[in-house]
Amino acid sequence: KQEVTQIPAALSVPEGENLVLNCSFTDSAIYNLQWFRQDPGKGLTSLLLIQSSQREQTSGRLNASLDKSSGRSTLYIAASQPGDSATYLCAVSLNQGGKLIFGQGTELSVKP
Amino acid sequence: DTGVSQDPRHKITKRGQNVTFRCDPISEHNRLYWYRQTLGQGPEFLTYFQNEAQLEKSRLLSDRFSAERPKGSFSTLEIQRTEQGDSAMYLCASSSWTSVVYRNEQFFGPGTRLTVL
Repeated sequence: KQEVTQIPAALSVPEGENLVLNCSFTDSAIYNLQWFRQDPGKGLTSLLLIQSSQREQTSGRLNASLDKSSGRSTLYIAASQPGDSATYLCAVSLNQGGKLIFGQGTELSVKP
Repeated sequence: DTGVSQDPRHKITKRGQNVTFRCDPISEHNRLYWYRQTLGQGPEFLTYFQNEAQLEKSRLLSDRFSAERPKGSFSTLEIQRTEQGDSAMYLCASSSWTSVVYRNEQFFGPGTRLTVL
């Protein structure tokens, strides 16, 4: 059974700091991995999607990497801003078009 | 592209009542997913459709839950005889899937928050 774990559960950093969020999964036979952002009481916003054949994806200040063999992904946020404060979720898909299996999320707080 | 929309955004009901939620996917998307999220947890998969066909249901989806997508466009999720444990955020997502498109990125709506008193 695929399980997704995110560490840490919560993180507080000062503005301007670079940071890394971690995601691990137990079964390396994934199809793709998505990172999402969720603001309190809101839906999920897709940040990055990495196909299983890819090693990383970048969007602005965000960079996501994938190491299937070790069952790990990281989300790197450069020069963090208070507006980055949110919960970040990673999710894996086991097959084409199938369901996503989510981690519990990392709650990020960026202090001015 | 207006995004995924869900209605209502909030629903408060008494235990034992039936509730129905609606999801309108991104217009060209053929796959539609329902998830449930409780406080402090990641979303959990409930069911998904390709066009009007329901392709997978989670064991979380008890007999009190039913989902439909009658014309392959919008979808409804009905919960009968609600229980306090049904209180959660119900999220809908959609994606565009074909045999030659490998991304299948899922886009989520704002969710419907259900409170059962």
